[in-house]
Amino acid sequence: QQQVKQSPQSLIVQKGGISIINCAYENTAFDYFPWYQQFPGKGPALLIAIRPDVSEKKEGRFTISFNKSAKQFSLHIMDSQPGDSATYFCAATVYSGAGSYQLTFGKGTKLSVIP
Amino acid sequence: DSGVTQTPKHLITATGQRVTLRCSPRSGDLSVYWYQQSLDQGLQFLIQYYNGEERAKGNILERFSAQQFPDLHSELNLSSLELGDSALYFCASSATLLNYGYTFGSGTRLTVV
Repeated sequence: QQQVKQSPQSLIVQKGGISIINCAYENTAFDYFPWYQQFPGKGPALLIAIRPDVSEKKEGRFTISFNKSAKQFSLHIMDSQPGDSATYFCAATVYSGAGSYQLTFGKGTKLSVIP
Repeated sequence: DSGVTQTPKHLITATGQRVTLRCSPRSGDLSVYWYQQSLDQGLQFLIQYYNGEERAKGNILERFSAQQFPDLHSELNLSSLELGDSALYFCASSATLLNYGYTFGSGTRLTVV
């Protein structure tokens, strides 16, 4: 119930192409869906996030698409650049009691953008 | 620099030993979260503190414990270390319990030999 399943595990995209990473969840109590970007030697950093009452959110070259009925959401990176090469994590937040929210992560997708 | 400071950056220790990882949250953040990142398990939530009180527990082993001090820094204590405890340990902070946007530190890489 608390899992977030992410695919693919790794992705190679040519410069200028579109990178697509998919996530699926079971727990309908999840109420916030962020994506994190992690470079080697660094901690994950919040990239973009969406709430389930919105079907799409765009920030620059990054777009989240959200399908509430299918319990799926995806990250699209348009015009992918070598600097986008990183590991991307989808995540979901659920109220865990005592006024606290718990963030559950997918297992990550290692994106390599080749020139 | 995210504003979340973790020390040390690297730690090598032997099996059976005990170590302490330290985290200073971003200025003004009251909530601290600890995560373990390994290759096969991804990012696993361990424990959360808010203003000195434990608020949520995840997949934290009994050999592990944490606390948050009055100055809001937090320490994660790992004891009776095993080879399988080798991982990256991340601390994250947020301003309030209801703040969804966590800020992560750069992590402590623990190697148990």
